[in-house]
Parts: sequence; C-alpha cells; structure tokens
Amino acid sequence: DVKVTQSSRYLVKRTGEKVFLECVQDMDHENMFWYRQDPGLGLRLIYFSYDVKMKEKGDIPEGYSVSREKKERFSLILESASTNQTSMYLCASRPRDRAYRSGNTVYFGEGSWLTVV
Amino acid sequence: KNEVEQSPQNLTAQEGEFITINCSYSVGISALHWLQQHPGGGIVSLFTLSSGKKKHGRLIATINIQEKHSSLHITASHPRDSAVYICAVRRGATNKLIFGTGTLLAVQP
Repeated sequence: DVKVTQSSRYLVKRTGEKVFLECVQDMDHENMFWYRQDPGLGLRLIYFSYDVKMKEKGDIPEGYSVSREKKERFSLILESASTNQTSMYLCASRPRDRAYRSGNTVYFGEGSWLTVV
Repeated sequence: KNEVEQSPQNLTAQEGEFITINCSYSVGISALHWLQQHPGGGIVSLFTLSSGKKKHGRLIATINIQEKHSSLHITASHPRDSAVYICAVRRGATNKLIFGTGTLLAVQP
C-alpha cells in the first residue's frame, strides 16, 4: 500500500517561530503537494513539486516555502509563523503521467494540525 | 461561482438508506476524484474516474463527461460511513486539483 506519512499530527507553535512540516512517501512518486484546509474554504494548494528540487507555487504560497531535496520527502516551511496560519495541513503525492498510464490516483497523508499562538 | 459544486452540503440519513451525493463541475477535466475524510483529518481516495462507473463494495461512483456531472452512491448506509465526502477534479493535464467544499454525511443508527 502507498503510504504518505506526515511527521507531526499536532503542533503548537508561537508567533514568529520557524516551523517545518515534513512529508514522506514510499511509492517513488514524482509529484508531491501541500494543501491547507480551513472550515468553509475547503482544500487550498500551497505549493507542489513535480521532481527533486523543482517547485511551483499553488494558490496561496504567501508566508510559506518548500524544500524537495530527495524524491520521497517534501517539506513545508513557515519562515515566521503567524496566527492566520493556524490550520490543518495535508500532504499528497501522485505518480507522473506516462504514455501507458495516467498518474491520476492521488494519495493523502493523515494531516498535521498546526496551532500558532 | 465555484468550478466544482457539491450537493447537498449536509446530509443526515438513517442506517440502511441509499445515499447519493452529487458533484457538478464547469471545467474540462482529465479525472474526477471522490475522497473521504473522517474526523481527525486524513483523506482516503475512494474513486478516480475519467468515464463511466466504478464500484467498490457498497460504494458506486458514476461520471457523465458530457453533462459535467458525477454522483457517489452509498448502498445500505452504515454509521461508519459518516464522514465528509469531497469531490475533486484534475483540470486537463495540469498538476492541480480543484476541490468541492465537501458533503458532511451523518448516518444515524
């Protein structure tokens, strides 16, 4: 079974702290994603990566950065956490489309609940 | 107007009932996903559809590409089916998913 593992389920951080959220997948997927989920707003894409060291901004990248040094690991970084970044963060991965198979199946992690106080 | 609309937003059913959740979208897609999210956050992918119909246990998903509409059906519903069900579409060949706001289902014993 594909597994997407998020390192922390629940975190409480202070305003201004640097926060790292880690995500690891074990299926050699090229594509990895970070979303945040807020009540009434649904899931919103923060950043995604389609290969090692490659990244693209999603819909709400402000206040976040990402790192993809290894294929299996995609990190979300809050350089200076703020209270409006209190949210649930979800990591996901998906294989690349190939000529013989679409890479459509997407796999999600368990989520990381971040509270910034 | 959202590009992916789900209905209903909230649904309460009695155990054993047949349930339908609808998803309409307004963009060209390469795939549509039905996702399940239980309290606590983790999301499970139930179905990925590009055409036709898929069945897994008591769950059935259909898609009509011409009408830009998909339905998720649950037969013989059970309290453990209580969750948020989310429709998401993959727009063309892009990497991005567009999500509906979800349907909160509560199945009462």
